[in-house]
Amino acid sequence: GAVVSQHPSRVICKSGTSVKIECRSLDFQATTMFWYRQFPKQSLMLMATSNEGSKATYEQGVEKDKFLINHASLTLSTLTVTSAHPEDSSFYICSASSRGTSGGDEQFFGPGTRLTVL
Amino acid sequence: GDSVTQMEGPVTLSEEAFLTINCTYTATGYPSLFWYVQYPGEGLQLLLKATKADDKGSNKGFEATYRKETTSFHLEKGSVQVSDSAVYFCALGANNLFFGTGTRLTVIP
Repeated sequence: GAVVSQHPSRVICKSGTSVKIECRSLDFQATTMFWYRQFPKQSLMLMATSNEGSKATYEQGVEKDKFLINHASLTLSTLTVTSAHPEDSSFYICSASSRGTSGGDEQFFGPGTRLTVL
Repeated sequence: GDSVTQMEGPVTLSEEAFLTINCTYTATGYPSLFWYVQYPGEGLQLLLKATKADDKGSNKGFEATYRKETTSFHLEKGSVQVSDSAVYFCALGANNLFFGTGTRLTVIP
């Protein structure tokens, strides 16, 4: 199946700094990438959807100036958490989908990035 | 809005036991329904899906039937193995997915 990687898998940063998380589709071109956030013992919450070459669409309640998403190529999307604070600590998961694959619009998920803000 | 309610875990079973993880949904229209599995240290993987009422998704011995009348998509497996230990997520939608909270399954030898 299609493989999606995330980097880093784990990051610890100081409050006020910015953190960039990369999401790559390794063996297919992702026309759409999704960013999710998962709190402990809670479901994945969609943060935003991004299509290659266009601005991301953010879900209600997600601050677009705080969570900057760039989808510059068909294989890479980045999420930058700007001026991170302890309440931003969470597990961030990306997924990618590609129209026309055998799976249709199936989303393929990365392994996630655990962010801890001190 | 659309939502998924999933059986809370954790669930611990002995090998070869029967598994049921309940999932019910609320949705406008007729969304597709999914079960995803997350093995330790890995990303979510699609386990099975159903795109319309009465469809049965199946994979690796797992099954789930899209029940419109009960708005349910319960996951079942007749005989679990230790290798099935993972977190299972029920989800609905199409391009945008709505997930349940996940159910951690541990199968002991």
